[in-house]
Amino acid sequence: GESVGLHLPTLSVQEGDNSIINCAYSNSASDYFIWYKQESGKGPQFIIDIRSNMDKRQGQRVTVLLNKTVKHLSLQIAATQPGDSAVYFCAEKTKAGYSTLTFGKGTMLLVSP
Amino acid sequence: DSGVTQTPKHLITATGQRVTLRCSPRSGDLSVYWYQQSLDQGLQFLIQYYNGEERAKGNILERFSAQQFPDLHSELNLSSLELGDSALYFCASSGESYSYGYTFGSGTRLTVV
Repeated sequence: GESVGLHLPTLSVQEGDNSIINCAYSNSASDYFIWYKQESGKGPQFIIDIRSNMDKRQGQRVTVLLNKTVKHLSLQIAATQPGDSAVYFCAEKTKAGYSTLTFGKGTMLLVSP
Repeated sequence: DSGVTQTPKHLITATGQRVTLRCSPRSGDLSVYWYQQSLDQGLQFLIQYYNGEERAKGNILERFSAQQFPDLHSELNLSSLELGDSALYFCASSGESYSYGYTFGSGTRLTVV
């Protein structure tokens, strides 16, 4: 199947900055997207999701933006904290058949105090 | 605690051996997914079970097999192990709705020596 990729493998920011993690997806049939956070030694943890009929969705300190025209997904983290340091994955799936989540390779976010 | 339980947390074994990884899904979830995570491959989907039946297959080797039991727990069997099978193996579960994300367990770290 088609894969989901990330532009930046590592992102370093200062505490308090806003972070933006990007993701390009190649499957135009994908209509559900999720961002996961994975801390060292732990399993991926759901952060926020978005359906293809939406352009933007906000959570607590996080916002996901979806641009279907260019097949681009981004995760914005406001006022980044050291506890946000982790690897972030975007994942996609389609409604077709028994579609399962396809994950990108991940972006490591490093937050300096 | 995500509600998805994986055992054991760590496993060290020799090449050529066989191991069994176990997963108990979150209460009420009928679907179980297995993913392999290695340093250079990210999260790779292996196989999905739904209410005891195989539903989707990904990049799972013939040496690997899985099953889901009537109580919905699942086991992933890895045989004729090779050094390259060393990885983190994650189990995830989900509900029936298409738009549900997956809830991941904390993983089993397999080291083949």
